[in-house]
Amino acid sequence: DAMVIQNPRYQVTQFGKPVTLSCSQTLNHNVMYWYQQKSSQAPKLLFHYYDKDFNNEADTPDNFQSRRPNTSFCFLDIRSPGLGDAAMYLCAIKGGGFSTDTQYFGPGTRLTVL
Amino acid sequence: KQEVTQIPAALSVPEGENLVLNCSFTDSAIYNLQWFRQDPGKGLTSLLLIQSSQREQTSGRLNASLDKSSGRSTLYIAASQPGDSATYLCAVGNNNDMRFGAGTRLTVKP
Repeated sequence: DAMVIQNPRYQVTQFGKPVTLSCSQTLNHNVMYWYQQKSSQAPKLLFHYYDKDFNNEADTPDNFQSRRPNTSFCFLDIRSPGLGDAAMYLCAIKGGGFSTDTQYFGPGTRLTVL
Repeated sequence: KQEVTQIPAALSVPEGENLVLNCSFTDSAIYNLQWFRQDPGKGLTSLLLIQSSQREQTSGRLNASLDKSSGRSTLYIAASQPGDSATYLCAVGNNNDMRFGAGTRLTVKP
């Protein structure tokens, strides 16, 4: 059974129209991550939550926001998508603290901006 | 800031060959290193996780090694098969922070 579920798998939005991507997990892991991955590039960490503690990467644009209402769910909000935001968005989970647990990824949401 | 590099960017081998993928990182103060596989348009599948105190991990035809002091890891794939064709990424972990390389795109030809 899938441990990390992302919806939708494919999202098409218009330039400047807000969009929300969702991620849920079945393992109650402390840490949830959002990555952006463009073609043939490394996944780029946008931010992560350790429980409710939000950790933003210094170079993540303000256009990207996140919410984690409970342990199971995490959302990525793109307030005004630009053409350069078209990418695969990957959600991942991991046991937190000093744990060296494996990081598990969801299948990703491919975002197209028209 | 941790920088992770994977060489080569692409590799093509005939079926049955043994091969090695390389990963290097700039900051040796890591908690763990993880190797992933990514098929086109899909998410990442974890292959092996090496703790900072370990030197290697094995799973089936895969063997990953870690040399923290030199900032290097290798992924050895024995007797490669066409089904191994994918992009292989390494990620270096420092507590909850994970940094990825850009990956090596492997093609195994029948």
